[in-house]
Order: sequence, then C-alpha cells, then structure tokens
Amino acid sequence: AQTVTQSQPEMSVQEAETVTLSCTYDTSENNYYLFWYKQPPSRQMILVIRQEAYKQQNATENRFSVNFQKAAKSFSLKISDSQLGDTAMYFCAFMIQIQGAQKLVFGQGTRLTINP
Amino acid sequence: EADIYQTPRYLVIGTGKKITLECSQTMGHDKMYWYQQDPGMELHLIHYSYGVNSTEKGDLSSESTVSRIRTEHFPLTLESARPSHTSQYLCATHSGTDYNEQFFGPGTRLTVL
Repeated sequence: AQTVTQSQPEMSVQEAETVTLSCTYDTSENNYYLFWYKQPPSRQMILVIRQEAYKQQNATENRFSVNFQKAAKSFSLKISDSQLGDTAMYFCAFMIQIQGAQKLVFGQGTRLTINP
Repeated sequence: EADIYQTPRYLVIGTGKKITLECSQTMGHDKMYWYQQDPGMELHLIHYSYGVNSTEKGDLSSESTVSRIRTEHFPLTLESARPSHTSQYLCATHSGTDYNEQFFGPGTRLTVL
C-alpha cells in the first residue's frame, strides 16, 4: 500500500515560535521523492521543501527543514521563527513512478495557524 | 510568465448539467494531472496525461473524462453532474525530469446542487 499519514489535523502556535509537523509514509518503492506542500487559504498549492529518498542529508530551505528517517519512514517538517504568512494547510507527499508519469500520494494535511 | 490557469474558479450548477473544467498551462510541461480534493482532505489523482493524445485514469475512480489534444490544454468534463461531484479540482503539471515538483493551478471549486 502507498499511504501517507499526518497525525496532527490541526496545530496552532504563536508567531516566532518553532513548530514541527509530523508525517509517516508507507511505500514499497526504493526510489522516491518526498515533498511538503503548503496550501494557504483560498490560494494556490506551492512547494515548501523536497527530499530525495536516497540522500541521507536532511533538506533545508531558509526557515524550513526536514527530519528524514528513511528506516522509520518518517518525514517531519520544522518551521523555525514562524510567521503569520505560514498559516496554511500543509500536505506531506511522496512521488512515485507510474505509467509514463509520476504521481503524488498525499497525506490528509495539517492545518497550521500562526497567532500574532 | 509561466503559469497554470484554471477556469472557472468557482462553479455552482444544478444536477444533470454537463460541465467542463478548463486547465491550461504555459509551463511547457508534457505531463498534466487532475487531482480531486474534498474539503479539509487529501488530494487524490483522478486523471493524468504524459503527452498529447495520452490520457490515463488515476487512483480515485471518477465519472469525469479528460482529453489532451494540445500540450497546453487538459480539460476535464462531467457529462451529467451530481451532488457527489461537489469538490475542489486541482490541475497540476510536471516537467517529467526526474522527480521535480509538480506545479499546481489555483483550482476549481465545484458545487452541484
């Protein structure tokens, strides 16, 4: 089975705090990529960060970093110095090969609210 | 500027109507996808295309159909809309180069009464 589980439906933190969103996944594939996408209210889904599964080093992108534990199939997202603009739904996903293309398998999402 | 366009953004329609959701892109990408997203839920792949004249079904069974006559255009059609089709439909593109990110359009929120 190809599944992604995000166990935190909602989270809320104060501005400038650090927050970690959890994600676990299950796949039998050896070669895959992991993603965190952000979907602000009524706005377009955009990429936050990407991790190649064959790389041990955790990806970082400014205030966003991941903790990738391949053996545990865990892929958490840490947001440092959170800002009001970080308020959004966050989706964890992995990408696998399908016939002629690549598909994303998404988790249920975590609704993150940053409070002033 | 490279982008993905979806029209309409919002659509409220009665049961039994035929509708077409438009998706067009200036990204120059070969691969295009339709995902369905129920409110507060994950996205599920319903259709995809890896090039002109190719269309494939995704994981989630859907009564919709798609076509890919031009690289830039990937419309989704419902012949007879029902309340169960109420959802958000997101179009995405992908360059197909390794496992680069998929880029998403703004979505169409469909309500069938």
